[in-house]
Amino acid sequence: DADVTQTPRNRITKTGKRIMLECSQTKGHDRMYWYRQDPGLGLRLIYYSFDVKDINKGEISDGYSVSRQAQAKFSLSLESAIPNQTALYFCATSDPWGTHTGELFFGEGSRLTVL
Amino acid sequence: QQQVKQSPQSLIVQKGGISIINCAYENTAFDYFPWYQQFPGKGPALLIAIRPDVSEKKEGRFTISFNKSAKQFSLHIMDSQPGDSATYFCAATSTDYKLSFGAGTTVTVRA
Repeated sequence: DADVTQTPRNRITKTGKRIMLECSQTKGHDRMYWYRQDPGLGLRLIYYSFDVKDINKGEISDGYSVSRQAQAKFSLSLESAIPNQTALYFCATSDPWGTHTGELFFGEGSRLTVL
Repeated sequence: QQQVKQSPQSLIVQKGGISIINCAYENTAFDYFPWYQQFPGKGPALLIAIRPDVSEKKEGRFTISFNKSAKQFSLHIMDSQPGDSATYFCAATSTDYKLSFGAGTTVTVRA
């Protein structure tokens, strides 16, 4: 089984719908992240959490919210999806040293299409 | 605005050739400089990373060169193999714990 599991892997939805992407990990890491990948833009940080009670906005948090339900679970929500949120979304984890060195462990991604 | 600028966007190399990807940055507060490799349908995975006080780091056929004064770093893939065909991202960590990624380079190795 993968250390970082994302569900669903693929989702097609319509404008205005609420969508939740879920992430669970077995790495035992406290730190979890949500990134968005778009062609030609690389990966951009949406939100990050360093423990269950800590939630921080990244560089592109508008239109998104997150919930850290447990050390191992971090979900990303789009309250009212719009077409420009069509992208590949990645969850990642790290330990504190990994945050310093840039060693993150990524899931396999959730491809979201908003029509 | 991308804090780490990566080029080229894509490259094609023959089997056995050298692939070179370049990255540049402006933020002198960047701390570590990792490179990630991503295969289609998979998440990025750490390939190799370098500290700013080191000018070169080699792991197998992969070498990072780092030029602190020029604020540039590059990835060299020696003796490129078809299995190296992937998208490569350079990145940089900063003291506010954020990892900034370049736009990515798609490498295709022709057999």
